[in-house]
Amino acid sequence: QSVLTQPPSASGTPGQRVTISCSGSSSNIGISYVYWYQQLPGTAPKLLIYRNNQRPSGVPDRFSGSKSGTSASLAISGLRSEDEADYYCAAWDDSLSGQWVFGGGTKLTVL
Amino acid sequence: QVQLQESGPGLVKPSQTLSLTCTVSGGSISSGSDYWSWIRQPAGKGLEWIGRIYTSGSTNYNPSLKSRVTISVDTSKNQFSLKLSSVTAADTAVYYCARESSSGWYFWGQGTLVTVSS
Repeated sequence: QSVLTQPPSASGTPGQRVTISCSGSSSNIGISYVYWYQQLPGTAPKLLIYRNNQRPSGVPDRFSGSKSGTSASLAISGLRSEDEADYYCAAWDDSLSGQWVFGGGTKLTVL
Repeated sequence: QVQLQESGPGLVKPSQTLSLTCTVSGGSISSGSDYWSWIRQPAGKGLEWIGRIYTSGSTNYNPSLKSRVTISVDTSKNQFSLKLSSVTAADTAVYYCARESSSGWYFWGQGTLVTVSS
């Protein structure tokens, strides 16, 4: 069981807007930044969003992040076939001397 | 451009110690204020943080693995290493090394598959 909770799957058609949720608690998302990673099959994860809503250079503005309380969301607008991937949220958890925790991942399918 | 590359045995016997090294190129491992992390992913499953080491040598470990994990750094070789003792089949996974900055894990190694089997 992952500390952060994500839906196992999400889907949308090209051009649609899709959101992926990430639920945590007061010891992680409630007090820490949230990060989002995209993982294409057979590759290392790629940083998509940092500090809740910041995009690294090169990440399209179709990707956006938000956080409220102990939950966070990743939104993808103008869905494209190449967005089909696994998406993970991560946050620092202050319990037990501190540790990074991940969501279980969401498999996004572009129909 | 910083690059990371994992290396080490792809097959480890149960109860033995898994040892991996991450070689950093394109930048000094001892410069800046970054952490150097190990993250793993069993086949078909999600990501699990193993631990990290700061440039000063201080470490943080996943509490669930802490009793079996040691992460160290060799600044002269621009490398950091992972040792995981008493491995079982549950430790079979792709192991990634990554650089953690205040902006997250931006640089990752390609990952290396370690299988625990007799």
